Amino acid sequence: GENVEQHPSTLSVQEGDSAVIKCTYSDSASNYFPWYKQELGKRPQLIIDIRSNVGEKKDQRIAVTLNKTAKHFSLHITETQPEDSAVYFCAAPPGQGSNDYKLSFGAGTTVTVRA
Amino acid sequence: EAGVAQSPRYKIIEKRQSVAFWCNPISGHATLYWYQQILGQGPKLLIQFQNNGVVDDSQLPKDRFSAERLKGVDSTLKIQPAKLEDSAVYLCASSLLTGQGASPLHFGNGTRLTVT
Repeated sequence: GENVEQHPSTLSVQEGDSAVIKCTYSDSASNYFPWYKQELGKRPQLIIDIRSNVGEKKDQRIAVTLNKTAKHFSLHITETQPEDSAVYFCAAPPGQGSNDYKLSFGAGTTVTVRA
Repeated sequence: EAGVAQSPRYKIIEKRQSVAFWCNPISGHATLYWYQQILGQGPKLLIQFQNNGVVDDSQLPKDRFSAERLKGVDSTLKIQPAKLEDSAVYLCASSLLTGQGASPLHFGNGTRLTVT
């Protein structure tokens, strides 16, 4: 199955600064890369996703970039706010030809935004 | 759109007892997943259904875990007998079957299981 590694495991940033989380994946044929946000005691919620036919996608203060050659993708949060404090998970499916609805998740990054 | 419904929210049992979790996915979502999330870790897929058939159960400990999705809608996950290491949040998720590969997962609020 897909092997997804996520770094860093914890990230503390000053309010207003940017946060960047990086994930690497193992299957070069993977074609879908979502990011989920999980607040304490709540369910994971999709915040942004990208497919392999584009290199970058942006939605207000969050963006995801994809480097297919290096097999990594990153989440960028700009102008961080206290409500951005949460655990963020990346995920990726195995490549085409297998069960590409099966997502493997990274271990998560705990982001703390300091006021 | 109603979300993924799960029950119960919390369950405390003693080891060697049995427990069952229920999930009702978003209407029209053909694919249903059960994930196990141990504290401090990412969700780990236990089993994936497409309609009422099992697509992937490679990481389901079949000696103690079982799941079914009769009629291709609701699903139940059972643990019998439970072990201490089964303490986790059990998340149900569903997604559309688009024919274009992976699509967003919609998670339920989960069932927090504590085995003592």
